[in-house]
Amino acid sequence: DTGVSQDPRHKITKRGQNVTFRCDPISEHNRLYWYRQTLGQGPEFLTYFQNEAQLEKSRLLSDRFSAERPKGSFSTLEIQRTEQGDSAMYLCASSRGGGLETQYFGPGTRLLVL
Amino acid sequence: AQSVTQLGSHVSVSEGALVLLRCNYSSSVPPYLFWYVQYPNQGLQLLLKYTTGATLVKGINGFEAEFKKSETSFHLTKPSAHMSDAAEYFCAVSSYSSASKIIFGSGTRLSIRP
Repeated sequence: DTGVSQDPRHKITKRGQNVTFRCDPISEHNRLYWYRQTLGQGPEFLTYFQNEAQLEKSRLLSDRFSAERPKGSFSTLEIQRTEQGDSAMYLCASSRGGGLETQYFGPGTRLLVL
Repeated sequence: AQSVTQLGSHVSVSEGALVLLRCNYSSSVPPYLFWYVQYPNQGLQLLLKYTTGATLVKGINGFEAEFKKSETSFHLTKPSAHMSDAAEYFCAVSSYSSASKIIFGSGTRLSIRP
């Protein structure tokens, strides 16, 4: 069990640029979650996948955000036309199943939009 | 809607002293309650969770929490603080109908004085 990994760990970009983050869940975990955490706040739910199907999206996930999990394994989160307000830590988690299965979190990708 | 309030953004205790981190929740349905810990540069780690049954829940590293429905509280305690307990702690809530979508509090930073 190698844990959830995220890449990159840090990203600095200029306003208006597109960025993409990757999350590799624990193998055989069929649920994958994305959260956003701003300074001094707890993580906020963005979206989650059951295998390749995106089952729920938060209202926080504007049209500029898109997440995919094409083969039910790794996932990508893309932010188009980044804004300074997008600066945050983006966390990925995975779980073996749904319901009360424990969510295991990755170390996060810290995004800074200049 | 569900929410969590953590009282005190920063708590400082002496090594060996009692640790008490306060959490109150709001939920219109029976809640599932969690405590997560976040060490610097590491992912969130589940300390303990309450679903149903016994209201006193024991977790890892000597922590425990008690679900008190009448007080809508789920405070986290540890009898004797250790230097390694210094971290950010998050209380969180979900429910049966939306068990995968976890709502986090804003966190409490625990510092340990030698």
